[in-house]
Amino acid sequence: EAQVTQNPRYLITVTGKKLTVTCSQNMNHEYMSWYRQDPGLGLRQIYYSMNVEVTDKGDVPEGYKVSRKEKRNFPLILESPSPNQTSLYFCASSTQSGLLRGTEAFFGQGTRLTVV
Amino acid sequence: AQSVTQLGSHVSVSEGALVLLRCNYSSSVPPYLFWYVQYPNQGLQLLLKYTTGATLVKGINGFEAEFKKSETSFHLTKPSAHMSDAAEYFCAVISIKAAGNKLTFGGGTRVLVKP
Repeated sequence: EAQVTQNPRYLITVTGKKLTVTCSQNMNHEYMSWYRQDPGLGLRQIYYSMNVEVTDKGDVPEGYKVSRKEKRNFPLILESPSPNQTSLYFCASSTQSGLLRGTEAFFGQGTRLTVV
Repeated sequence: AQSVTQLGSHVSVSEGALVLLRCNYSSSVPPYLFWYVQYPNQGLQLLLKYTTGATLVKGINGFEAEFKKSETSFHLTKPSAHMSDAAEYFCAVISIKAAGNKLTFGGGTRVLVKP
């Protein structure tokens, strides 16, 4: 089954404690992206990756890091989480050509992060 | 820069009534437009999309949307709401950039369906 898998689904952590949210896709997609969802603001892009070892900032990259060492994985790293990073996070993937043609992006189930 | 505006963060409709969710976009090039739906505790699922061709597009679950270039709009409709339509809906546009492409989302509209 084609899917994007995020882990964990729920996470409560304390300010300053480094954490990683994993994202894996089994569709051999080149393009992967992270979004955060906040009430009234919709989904805002944090980082995206066009392919292995190619990443770039989205609209709200501050406080986040990513890496793309393998095509299937795109982890989101919070080196020193703060309460304003409490949010719902989504990973998405798509083919590169698909994104250009308007083919849909596939989304993970989301990770609800609370930083206290 | 491309942007998407959804009018109304919350919409309440009666079961069987028309559902109308408004979306306006700004784009310097012909856009690719999408509607996604998010059911409680789930990820986003594509409802429908417009790329080229027919401006009235039909999606899953009886939804449709019409692309109106002159109005820069892509409103979503469903003639008769069902209880299962209670969800949050997001309009999105693809931004094609030399440095990379991305989906830009509107703020979302949460739909409540009353019996």
